[in-house]
Amino acid sequence: AQSVAQPEDQVNVAEGNPLTVKCTYSVSGNPYLFWYVQYPNRGLQFLLKYITGDNLVKGSYGFEAEFNKSQTSFHLKKPSALVSDSALYFCAVRVGKAAGNKLTFGGGTRVLVKP
Amino acid sequence: GAVVSQHPSRVICKSGTSVKIECRSLDFQATTMFWYRQFPKKSLMLMATSNEGSKATYEQGVEKDKFLINHASLTLSTLTVTSAHPEDSSFYICSAKGTSSYNEQFFGPGTRLTVL
Repeated sequence: AQSVAQPEDQVNVAEGNPLTVKCTYSVSGNPYLFWYVQYPNRGLQFLLKYITGDNLVKGSYGFEAEFNKSQTSFHLKKPSALVSDSALYFCAVRVGKAAGNKLTFGGGTRVLVKP
Repeated sequence: GAVVSQHPSRVICKSGTSVKIECRSLDFQATTMFWYRQFPKKSLMLMATSNEGSKATYEQGVEKDKFLINHASLTLSTLTVTSAHPEDSSFYICSAKGTSSYNEQFFGPGTRLTVL
């Protein structure tokens, strides 16, 4: 079985400060890791993914994430947060390359960026 | 990028009625579509996986007779909530993947269902 944990329900950060959203995972096999963002009453927008290769992955809107195999983590980061980054963020894991395999989502972390 | 639409975006219905939600891949052919349910302030729960032309595979605990899924073409899947009750009120999101095994899932904007 695969699982994802996002230990923080909410993260508050001042605009311009660094933003980190934590994610840890548990899988049997090679993980394929994803971050999505959801704005109110909207579907999920893809931010970035780790499949293989460089542990530091750069994605949309200035976000990046670092895959750490020993700590089974895939934390999302942004050097300088914007008010518009306020949203719900989901980490997800899939085992195997085939996109038909199920995505398992974490519980989500609400990010609030204050001006 | 690939675009997935859902219709309607919002629906309010009376208890006991049935509601159909459509999920369309607008610019690609989707061999597989997924239906998720999201409760307020909660994560997405996968309800079922549907492959074009075959029966959907439901997750444990999801009633297949209540949540009817049809994937009749490579661009359209429908979810019908039959005999809806207030506890079925939720945000329903679909995703679709292309014909290649390595295509990623693309998510629709979601449908807010409210059952009175």
